[in-house]
Amino acid sequence: EAGVTQFPSHSVIEKGQTVTLRCDPISGHDNLYWYRRVMGKEIKFLLHFVKESKQDESGMPNNRFLAERTGGTYSTLKVQPAELEDSGVYFCASSRTLQGPQHFGDGTRLSIL
Amino acid sequence: GESVGLHLPTLSVQEGDNSIINCAYSNSASDYFIWYKQESGKGPQFIIDIRSNMDKRQGQRVTVLLNKTVKHLSLQIAATQPGDSAVYFCAEYESNDMRFGAGTRLTVKP
Repeated sequence: EAGVTQFPSHSVIEKGQTVTLRCDPISGHDNLYWYRRVMGKEIKFLLHFVKESKQDESGMPNNRFLAERTGGTYSTLKVQPAELEDSGVYFCASSRTLQGPQHFGDGTRLSIL
Repeated sequence: GESVGLHLPTLSVQEGDNSIINCAYSNSASDYFIWYKQESGKGPQFIIDIRSNMDKRQGQRVTVLLNKTVKHLSLQIAATQPGDSAVYFCAEYESNDMRFGAGTRLTVKP
């Protein structure tokens, strides 16, 4: 079974630009999660999809972040416009069931200059 | 690889010794807990989980202990190997969403 894949693995952009991160969950996993880890801090929850619906987006930092999961398969996380404090590693995870083990991708390292 | 937090708690053990990594959680209503291992440049990898109706669960070379009275979780690794060197995170489920602890860096000395 293929794992969770994220693209790109690395992105370097200038402040004010737009970046879109993509996550392909494990096939058949209805639950998809986004997290991020900012330098020196713990991994923080951003939001949770169940199929194409946002179950919980309480961790989204502000309205510059937009997550979508059209069709309930892959998901995108867009940051527009990017700010310096958005730098960090963005992880995606998926699980088959609620309260089941989440399987993580290797993350996208985002650097804002 | 991914940068490491400067203030991450660390544990250094000799190869072959047992390791114990501790975690305090905050929500007494949490009923499901997971330990993850994260190597540099990789995402967190599932190690073992435990539900709140248990106080101990064993896997291959790993044991998780749960003390709900003091809201404490520990991960024991038997016969620690160099490949065990990584950052270890505990995570608790609050309702249907998971929250991570700060992480502990385990270094295994040959």
